[in-house]
Amino acid sequence: GAVVSQHPSWVICKSGTSVKIECRSLDFQATTMFWYRQFPKQSLMLMATSNEGSKATYEQGVEKDKFLINHASLTLSTLTVTSAHPEDSSFYICSARGKLGVNTEAFFGQGTRLTVV
Amino acid sequence: DAKTTQPNSMESNEEEPVHLPCNHSTISGTDYIHWYRQLPSQGPEYVIHGLTSNVNNRMASLAIAEDRKSSTLILHRATLRDAAVYYCILRDRRDDKIIFGKGTRLHILP
Repeated sequence: GAVVSQHPSWVICKSGTSVKIECRSLDFQATTMFWYRQFPKQSLMLMATSNEGSKATYEQGVEKDKFLINHASLTLSTLTVTSAHPEDSSFYICSARGKLGVNTEAFFGQGTRLTVV
Repeated sequence: DAKTTQPNSMESNEEEPVHLPCNHSTISGTDYIHWYRQLPSQGPEYVIHGLTSNVNNRMASLAIAEDRKSSTLILHRATLRDAAVYYCILRDRRDDKIIFGKGTRLHILP
């Protein structure tokens, strides 16, 4: 299957700082990328959807000024957690898919574990 | 969002078949049935999907009820590496979102 790569795999940052997570589609053009957050023992929660060259669409309850998403190219999307706090500690996962067609599959990155201290 | 119902957890012995059920009584005619699984500390991976007919691939088989209100993911010979959370998800081909439910945590006993 297609490959989606996230970087870094894990990161520890101090409270109040910002952290950027990258999501790259390595062998296909990702028209749309999705960002999820997952707390321990819970399911994935969709945070936002981004289309290349457009502003991201955020799910209800997700602060767009805190979780900045950029999707500047067909192979790269970034999620920046601004002014991170301990409650932002979580497993962040991106997903990417190509041009929407009949049942176009989405592929997931390996996830980034963020710990805010 | 169309919803699915799965058991919270299941156990199976290694090298035996596993049948993971999913109920989706409110499925619409344009919904595809997708299965993903998430191994510990990893992102989800695609397993299989189908619309009406049963489907087979190298990972698993998908059996879809005739009325499409339920489906079963079949792992023919479970290994320890199949221990994961399995998610049954309905996706409308016109909608690009993948919304995850709670899934079924599959434990494989050696």
